[in-house]
Amino acid sequence: TQLLEQSPQFLSIQEGENLTVYCNSSSVFSSLQWYRQEPGEGPVLLVTVVTGGEVKKLKRLTFQFGDARKDSSLHITAAQPGDTGLYLCAGRTGGSYIPTFGRGTSLIVHP
Amino acid sequence: NAGVTQTPKFQVLKTGQSMTLQCAQDMNHNSMYWYRQDPGMGLRLIYYSASEGTTDKGEVPNGYNVSRLNKREFSLRLESAAPSQTSVYFCASSEAGVTGELFFGEGSRLTVL
Repeated sequence: TQLLEQSPQFLSIQEGENLTVYCNSSSVFSSLQWYRQEPGEGPVLLVTVVTGGEVKKLKRLTFQFGDARKDSSLHITAAQPGDTGLYLCAGRTGGSYIPTFGRGTSLIVHP
Repeated sequence: NAGVTQTPKFQVLKTGQSMTLQCAQDMNHNSMYWYRQDPGMGLRLIYYSASEGTTDKGEVPNGYNVSRLNKREFSLRLESAAPSQTSVYFCASSEAGVTGELFFGEGSRLTVL
């Protein structure tokens, strides 16, 4: 059973479109992180959210943590080809510092 | 500042051969991890080490062993490689705590024939 479910699994869009990807679980997370991974490289942290209802913005990226701390979303406005990559969410439950990763959303933005 | 360095980057093995993946970090982190990444499966934790001298099993430890040689280095060993271990392996490090950022190496692509 996957602790973190990410959707959609694949997304192919044109430059300038908006998109939202989701990370859902039945567990409550003490923190949740989003990473982006480009081909041939390791994942790189985009954001960490810890408070239910929290919203963080990083340029054209908006991250939201659900009120119950069981889900999160990543919204990208006016996507660019440079946004292409695998987006992974990672959550920590209870007092554990070990993160569990979702399977990721593979995003392709066509020029 | 190199961050997390993994070697080798690519390796081809025959079934039954053994090998060790090396990982070193220069950020003075206590915690280190080994993940494997397979298509459509995300990152699955193989082993982790909370601090020098300690190691624990993750989600998929079978067929692997690890050594936390010192605070900087954490190696992953395949004693008898199997085709099911064909994957991309990532080493990561972090500070402890529920908000610690994981810093990843560039990955080691292993093919077992």
